[in-house]
Amino acid sequence: DTGVSQDPRHKITKRGQNVTFRCDPISEHNRLYWYRQTLGQGPEFLTYFQNEAQLEKSRLLSDRFSAERPKGSFSTLEIQRTEQGDSAMYLCASSPRAPDTQYFGPGTRLTVL
Amino acid sequence: AQSVSQHNHHVILSEAASLELGCNYSYGGTVNLFWYVQYPGQHLQLLLKYFSGDPLVKGIKGFEAEFIKSKFSFNLRKPSVQWSDTAEYFCAVWVGTYKYIFGTGTRLKVLA
Repeated sequence: DTGVSQDPRHKITKRGQNVTFRCDPISEHNRLYWYRQTLGQGPEFLTYFQNEAQLEKSRLLSDRFSAERPKGSFSTLEIQRTEQGDSAMYLCASSPRAPDTQYFGPGTRLTVL
Repeated sequence: AQSVSQHNHHVILSEAASLELGCNYSYGGTVNLFWYVQYPGQHLQLLLKYFSGDPLVKGIKGFEAEFIKSKFSFNLRKPSVQWSDTAEYFCAVWVGTYKYIFGTGTRLKVLA
């Protein structure tokens, strides 16, 4: 399968802990997006990479959130000092250009206790 | 503020019924419009998209959508639904530079 993959698929953590998620996009796609989705809502844009450059970051993203895409390949999303409000599905998507079809991964479901 | 509205949150239909899901967006610039679908247990995937040209767009599995610029709408339609169309449907708008805005989704349940 050469689609977008995300790891882990599920993460349960205690409030105050740090968590890191990984996304592996489709190899030839230079654009990568992170979204957050909560129950009853659509995906909410978090941040965007073109190759290794982080070109856009949502104002909704607090300083506790950071994302990287070293060498323009896989990406990581880290949440520091997690809060219960961070519980959500975190989605990664990639595309070859913008605008264009986004190819989504299966998501990482985060539960903060 | 830029936004996408999907007015039908839950829709229940019997097989063979016709489907129309509403999508309205708030954005004054050039738009590129998408419908994505998420079948139970699967990833979000593209159903169809509109960039320019014929405002009636055909997608996979017999779905189509019509872009009406004057109404800021991009409604999704299917003449006859099947049980396998049970899924959640999301309308999305590309609003320039890097950003896509998604609607809140419509959960469709088709009764066999």
